[in-house]
Amino acid sequence: QQQVKQSPQSLIVQKGGISIINCAYENTAFDYFPWYQQFPGKGPALLIAIRPDVSEKKEGRFTISFNKSAKQFSLHIMDSQPGDSATYFCAALASGTYKYIFGTGTRLKVLA
Amino acid sequence: DADVTQTPRNRITKTGKRIMLECSQTKGHDRMYWYRQDPGLGLRLIYYSFDVKDINKGEISDGYSVSRQAQAKFSLSLESAIPNQTALYFCATSDSGRETQYFGPGTRLLVL
Repeated sequence: QQQVKQSPQSLIVQKGGISIINCAYENTAFDYFPWYQQFPGKGPALLIAIRPDVSEKKEGRFTISFNKSAKQFSLHIMDSQPGDSATYFCAALASGTYKYIFGTGTRLKVLA
Repeated sequence: DADVTQTPRNRITKTGKRIMLECSQTKGHDRMYWYRQDPGLGLRLIYYSFDVKDINKGEISDGYSVSRQAQAKFSLSLESAIPNQTALYFCATSDSGRETQYFGPGTRLLVL
């Protein structure tokens, strides 16, 4: 019940294309869903996050879509660029716990 | 994030040796965390501390111990290293009441 399932494990996209990474969860107590971006040799850094009271959040080329009834959320990267090549982790947090449950990560490669 | 530093950045050790990984932060956050990252498994929480006198086990604490020497310092020890502790280790911090975690650059540990 604590797991966050992430797919795909790896993704190759052409420059200018749309990258889509999906996550699913079981625990209905989760109420904060961030995406972290990790470049090689670096620690993860917060990219964008959403709470379940909205179905979509957009920041520049990055959008989170959230489906509360299906217990799924996804990251969309529009106009993907080679500089977006990184590993992306979804995560979930239950209010008051401050302990993330991370997905297994998606390695994205954007071809020039 | 330069505000969270980890030492060493790379370490090779032998089975049975005791080693310590150190984390320091200048962000003034009271919450600190230790994670390990393994390919295909994502980030898993080892220990976390919400203040100097508060230490809690995460999901994979066996074989590890921690020390919170000060608000800014949180150390992870492997009492008797074993090869399956070979991984990338990250320290993270967060401010009280805030969800965002800030990660250090990681320590790559190889146990022979």
